[in-house]
Amino acid sequence: GQNIDQPTEMTATEGAIVQINCTYQTSGFNGLFWYQQHAGEAPTFLSYNVLDGLEEKGRFSSFLSRSKGYSYLLLKELQMKDSASYLCAVKSDSWGKFQFGAGTQVVVTP
Amino acid sequence: SQTIHQWPATLVQPVGSPLSLECTVEGTSNPNLYWYRQAAGRGLQLLFYSVGIGQISSEVPQNLSASRPQDRQFILSSKKLLLSDSGFYLCAWTTGDPSGNTIYFGEGSWLTVV
Repeated sequence: GQNIDQPTEMTATEGAIVQINCTYQTSGFNGLFWYQQHAGEAPTFLSYNVLDGLEEKGRFSSFLSRSKGYSYLLLKELQMKDSASYLCAVKSDSWGKFQFGAGTQVVVTP
Repeated sequence: SQTIHQWPATLVQPVGSPLSLECTVEGTSNPNLYWYRQAAGRGLQLLFYSVGIGQISSEVPQNLSASRPQDRQFILSSKKLLLSDSGFYLCAWTTGDPSGNTIYFGEGSWLTVV
C-alpha cells in the first residue's frame, strides 16, 4: 500500500523552531512537497525536494532522504500566523499523481 | 499567469439531491486536473484525476462522478448525495509536463449534506 505519515499536532511558542517529520512509502517517487493550509482555506505551496538534502526558503527549510523515505519541514522564528496545518505530499507518478498525508496541525502560542 | 477557480464556494444540499461543482483553469493548456475531498480534520483524499478531455480516472469508488468536457474545465457531480459526501472539495491542476513540480489548488467548495 501507499502511506504518508506525519504527526497529528505540534505546539510551539512564538520565536521558537519546530520540525515536522514525514515518512512515506509510495509506489513511485518524483518529488516531495510541503503545503501550508490555514483553516477553511486551500493549501498553498511551501517547498519542493526531489534530490537528497536541504532546501532553504527564508524561515522555512525542507530536508529529504530518499533512501530512508523521510522528509522534514523546519519552521524557524515562529510567528502566530504560522499556526496552520502542514501537509506532506509525494508526487508518485511522473505525470503528476500527488498523494497527501493527513497534515500536522501546528499551534503557535504567545 | 495561470489561475484556477471553482464554484460554488459553499452549498447546503439535502440528502438525495444532485450535485455539480465546476472548476476552470486559465492561462495554461492541456493541464492535469484533479478533484480532492477533505473531511473535517482529515487529509486530502484524491477522488478523480484527468490527463485530457474525456479522460477520467477514479481513485475511490463512490456515488460521485467527474467529467472534463473542455480542456480547462473539470466538473464533479452526483445524482444523489449522501450525508458522508459532506466535506471540503478542492479542484487542482498541474502542468501536463512531467517536469512540473507543484500542484495548484482552487479556493475550495464547502459542501454540507443535511
